[in-house]
Amino acid sequence: AQTVTQSQPEMSVQEAETVTLSCTYDTSESNYYLFWYKQPPSRQMILVIRQEAYKQQNATENRFSVNFQKAAKSFSLKISDSQLGDTAMYFCAFGNTGTASKLTFGTGTRLQVTL
Amino acid sequence: GAVVSQHPSRVICKSGTSVKIECRSLDFQATTMFWYRQFPKQSLMLMATSNEGSKATYEQGVEKDKFLINHASLTLSTLTVTSAHPEDSSFYICSAPAGGSSGANVLTFGAGSRLTVL
Repeated sequence: AQTVTQSQPEMSVQEAETVTLSCTYDTSESNYYLFWYKQPPSRQMILVIRQEAYKQQNATENRFSVNFQKAAKSFSLKISDSQLGDTAMYFCAFGNTGTASKLTFGTGTRLQVTL
Repeated sequence: GAVVSQHPSRVICKSGTSVKIECRSLDFQATTMFWYRQFPKQSLMLMATSNEGSKATYEQGVEKDKFLINHASLTLSTLTVTSAHPEDSSFYICSAPAGGSSGANVLTFGAGSRLTVL
């Protein structure tokens, strides 16, 4: 079974600064998907970014980018130019290629963006 | 984009009663939907996979008779919490692969349902 670990329960960053959220995972699979989801106070889960393991290039979505280190089984999220609206819980998630939609989530990191 | 509608958003019920939560894919068909449970300040735990036209697949430790799942159409899955007790109080979230049940698709989530059992 896969496991996803987020070692930072809470983080804080000032507006306009950059912050990196950590995520490690464990799997015996060679191909899979990794995701970062955001859950703001509204509790609505929102996809931030997705990475396919067979792609070496790190995924980017505007201010959000990942550092995918397959050998180290690490998948960190970098948020640049942090905005107040980025305040949320961030969950790292793992999906197998066969049933990629069935996700295993990490415990989450609560990010607070301050003025 | 793909939208998943979940209803009700909040429900309060008395202990011993049953509560039904609906999850609809509004602009796409979903042969598979997933039901998650989230305790306060915790992660999402997968409860079951809902399969259109067949029985749901439950995760280990989830009581099938307690959490009844029905996926009667390509756009609707329901979760019924039967004989609810205070320990069933939680936030329940449904999700569906956007655009279908392909394994490569991204999950779209409903807004969640907060259940409080008195």
